[in-house]
Amino acid sequence: QVQLQESGPGLVKPSETLSLTCAVSGYSITNTFQWGWIRQPPGKGLEWIGTGSTYHNPSLKGRVTLSLDTSKNQFSLRVTSVTAADTAVYFCVRVRPAKQWELPTFDYWGQGSLVTVSS
Amino acid sequence: AIRMTQSPSSLSASTGDRVTIACRASLDISNYVAWYQQRPGRAPKLLISAASTLQSGVPSRFSGSGSGTDFTLTITSLQSEDFATYYCQQYFSYPLTFGGGTKVEIK
Repeated sequence: QVQLQESGPGLVKPSETLSLTCAVSGYSITNTFQWGWIRQPPGKGLEWIGTGSTYHNPSLKGRVTLSLDTSKNQFSLRVTSVTAADTAVYFCVRVRPAKQWELPTFDYWGQGSLVTVSS
Repeated sequence: AIRMTQSPSSLSASTGDRVTIACRASLDISNYVAWYQQRPGRAPKLLISAASTLQSGVPSRFSGSGSGTDFTLTITSLQSEDFATYYCQQYFSYPLTFGGGTKVEIK
């Protein structure tokens, strides 16, 4: 059974970098396009952050880096220059296997990690 | 970015009721819509992809329909575990976008 678990600091200061890691069990990570991140501000809806190393939401203005560590079977998210608007629950997700040309939907989710941006 | 507009934003229903949630895309997205269920304090769960394809393990009381710009999620005979917030997502083009959500509450 595929399981994802986020970890990282729950509090980040404004202008600093948010870093989260997602440990995957029950499935081997082989390429970045299988994995992504979605966030949800408190009491609000879902926002796609990015999938793989290439496809990121332009709303985050180039502040996002997604990376993979196949030796540890985990992947990571970095968001630089954070502000209070980046306060959210961050979910790591697996892209549902589909036709190669099909854009992502998400079939496995971590439980979510609340990150608060505050001084 | 493609805008996904859900209606209503919330509704009250009773166990056993039939519930319909609408999702409208700002342009033609063919059938590239997925639906998710999010129970309070939990991660979303994928229910439907390609507008109408039920994911494995999802009860048959859930169904999806539509194409182009207008899509619908229907729950026949609402069960207690179905009280949750539902989101549509388009995967026709980047950036991937979600609807604002529809909260299904107990009447």
